[in-house]
Amino acid sequence: KAGVTQTPRYLIKTRGQQVTLSCSPISGHRSVSWYQQTPGQGLQFLFEYFSETQRNKGNFPGRFSGRQFSNSRSEMNVSTLELGDSALYLCASSPDRNTEAFFGQGTRLTVV
Amino acid sequence: KQEVTQIPAALSVPEGENLVLNCSFTDSAIYNLQWFRQDPGKGLTSLLLIQSSQREQTSGRLNASLDKSSGRSTLYIAASQPGDSATYLCAPDSWGKLQFGAGTQVVVTP
Repeated sequence: KAGVTQTPRYLIKTRGQQVTLSCSPISGHRSVSWYQQTPGQGLQFLFEYFSETQRNKGNFPGRFSGRQFSNSRSEMNVSTLELGDSALYLCASSPDRNTEAFFGQGTRLTVV
Repeated sequence: KQEVTQIPAALSVPEGENLVLNCSFTDSAIYNLQWFRQDPGKGLTSLLLIQSSQREQTSGRLNASLDKSSGRSTLYIAASQPGDSATYLCAPDSWGKLQFGAGTQVVVTP
């Protein structure tokens, strides 16, 4: 069974640009969550999607957005990138809320 | 707001010793708690999931306990090996949102 796939693995962007990250969950999983990991703040919750609906949102500015498609694949978008957005972005999938979460390898975003 | 603390922050042991990693959380209204390991620059690997109604969960050399009322979980790793070297993270789950501690960095020396 394939795991959670995140693309791209690495990304370098310039301040002010926007970026889209993709996550393909494990087959059959309907819940997808996104997390940001930085050395200073650790792992922080961004948002959770289930059946194309955002069910939960973390404390991040509106520049961070996401969506989920009918096949459960999810994308997150960050607009007007800032240097502080440099981080490892992790996607997790689970069959449903409150079930075991499985993480992808992450996308390493560097903003210069 | 859920606050998660992991003690110790770092741990170095010789191969063969048992490891004890502690996790405390402030909000006991959780559905479950997961333990993960993370290797440098990589994603998280799920180790164990303990439901809020359970006291304990075991998988091979790993055993995790949960005391929801006191807001504590402990991960025991028996007979440590160099391959166990990683950062270990606990994450209580409240309404589909995992709240992570800063982790315990473990080094097992041969």
